[in-house]
Amino acid sequence: DVKVTQSSRYLVKRTGEKVFLECVQDMDHENMFWYRQDPGLGLRLIYFSYDVKMKEKGDIPEGYSVSREKKERFSLILESASTNQTSMYLCASRLGKSEAFGPGTRLTVT
Amino acid sequence: GENVEQHPSTLSVQEGDSAVIKCTYSDSASNYFPWYKQELGKGPQLIIDIRSNVGEKKDQRIAVTLNKTAKHFSLHITETQPEDSAVYFCAASMGAGNMLTFGGGTRLMVKP
Repeated sequence: DVKVTQSSRYLVKRTGEKVFLECVQDMDHENMFWYRQDPGLGLRLIYFSYDVKMKEKGDIPEGYSVSREKKERFSLILESASTNQTSMYLCASRLGKSEAFGPGTRLTVT
Repeated sequence: GENVEQHPSTLSVQEGDSAVIKCTYSDSASNYFPWYKQELGKGPQLIIDIRSNVGEKKDQRIAVTLNKTAKHFSLHITETQPEDSAVYFCAASMGAGNMLTFGGGTRLMVKP
């Protein structure tokens, strides 16, 4: 069974902190994605990666960066967390049409 | 870029009734339209999809219709059950495997 795991289900950080969100997939997928989910806005793509060490900006990359050092792991980094980054963060991996989402990390920045 | 609008944002139906969720898209080049179901505490899961060369697709109690001319597509759930209660998202892209643009989501509540 396909599996995407995220390092934390809930996270509370303070404004200005550096935040790391980790995502691991066990399906050998090449494509991995980070989305944020906000009520009424659906899922918005932050960054994606189609290969190790490759990354592309999505629709809302400002304030975020990513790292993909290994195929199975895709990290989202908030360099200096701000309150407007309070959200649900979803990681996904995809091979062709087959797509799997992780359970999400609910991040609160105070 | 692509813009996908989804309506309604919330939908409440009685068990056994049908539910319909509608989406419109802006980019006529989009040709792949998946639907996702997100249950509480879980990530979205693909439940059905349709490509632009097909007008309708069914899978048991769920069906999706596509009107390319009007640039809208809909999800139909018949004989709703309490376990259908979830948030549903539509999406559009230029081919399976390409970037998805999501609608805002519909919270469906099925009352027993």
